[in-house]
Amino acid sequence: ILNVEQSPQSLHVQEGDSTNFTCSFPSSNFYALHWYRWETAKSPEALFVMTLNGDEKKKGRISATLNTKEGYSYLYIKGSQPEDSATYLCAFNPRSNDYKLSFGAGTTVTVRA
Amino acid sequence: DSGVTQTPKHLITATGQRVTLRCSPRSGDLSVYWYQQSLDQGLQFLIQYYNGEERAKGNILERFSAQQFPDLHSELNLSSLELGDSALYFCASSTSGRRTGELFFGEGSRLTVL
Repeated sequence: ILNVEQSPQSLHVQEGDSTNFTCSFPSSNFYALHWYRWETAKSPEALFVMTLNGDEKKKGRISATLNTKEGYSYLYIKGSQPEDSATYLCAFNPRSNDYKLSFGAGTTVTVRA
Repeated sequence: DSGVTQTPKHLITATGQRVTLRCSPRSGDLSVYWYQQSLDQGLQFLIQYYNGEERAKGNILERFSAQQFPDLHSELNLSSLELGDSALYFCASSTSGRRTGELFFGEGSRLTVL
């Protein structure tokens, strides 16, 4: 079982504020790290797939960084809006012939107007 | 709309019964993944198929089985159902078997076992 941990489990943000949260994964066995956004009553949607140490990806006000040596990725939301309210999932692919994509439990973000 | 279609959306059945969940991947996607989300649990990987062949297996119970057909749709069969099998079952597809390919999720099939 791959240990993919996300913290915090949930957070509340005031509209307009910026926030960030963490995904931790085994650093010794890395191939790819995915981020997904999961809105209530919808299905998860891909945000980023990251493969290189030091990688930074951006989509609108959301960005992510990756540190494969220490085994963590940060997701940042700049100027949070109510539509950013969702559960953000990270998922880890190990370097091996193992094709399993193991998900963390997610960070649930609630943006208050 | 991700382009991944799952049926049925909701299913209520009794313990001991057998159900089949169906998934049609996005047009052109060769890989299909099945995930289970139980109450207070994250997405648990069950199994992956690529172009009709099983590629990876997670903690899938022996009572569960799956297959991917030549037209690339997939079915997840759950038998001898128990109360604990109640969950949201997601199917996802990706273009290839590459592990850097993003997954496109269906809307899920919610199974309730009474």
